[in-house]
Amino acid sequence: AVQLVESGGGLVQPGKSLKLSCSASGFTFSSYGMHWIRQAPGKGLDWVAYISSSSGTVYADAVKERFTISRDNAKNTLYLQLNSLKSEDTAIYYCARNLLGAPGYWGQGVMVTVSS
Amino acid sequence: DIQMTQSPSVLSASVGDRVTLNCKASQNINKYLNWYQQKLGEAPKLLIYNTNNLQTGIPSRFSGSGSGTDFTLTISSLQPEDFATYFCFQHNSWLTFGSGTKLEIK
Repeated sequence: AVQLVESGGGLVQPGKSLKLSCSASGFTFSSYGMHWIRQAPGKGLDWVAYISSSSGTVYADAVKERFTISRDNAKNTLYLQLNSLKSEDTAIYYCARNLLGAPGYWGQGVMVTVSS
Repeated sequence: DIQMTQSPSVLSASVGDRVTLNCKASQNINKYLNWYQQKLGEAPKLLIYNTNNLQTGIPSRFSGSGSGTDFTLTISSLQPEDFATYFCFQHNSWLTFGSGTKLEIK
């Protein structure tokens, strides 16, 4: 079965950085594009970034220039580097495996809190 | 950017009811519309992809329809486990979620 497990979240001060990881199992990781999606407390879902199986990347305007999505196929791991963090980046961050151009299978999420 | 508007924002219904949730795109998104279910404290789960395709393992009481800009998710007979928040998502041009419909017990 597809399994995605996020890690690396926590409390961070505004302006600082954090790197999230998503460990994948149950499928051939290198063959699939992957997404990051976030959800602020009590709010809806916001798509954040996508990386294709060939490592092409796309970002939402709100995070472009600050966040970087990457992958290590040898480690079956997806990453999201979060730089210059703002209070509005506070959210649960989910990774998801691509299915026909959209998030298909989702991890359980990891919380990121940006506060001084 | 394409905006996705879901209605109603809250829907009260009873077990056994047939319910319809709506999602409207600000421009034509062809068939590229998904529906996700999110229960409190859980990750979203894909129900329907590309307008009317049921994801593996999803009960057949869920169905989707529509095209262009107007889409619907129908639950034919509500079960207790269906009370949750439902999000639509377009992936025709860029990637955008709707704001959600909370389906609550009447």
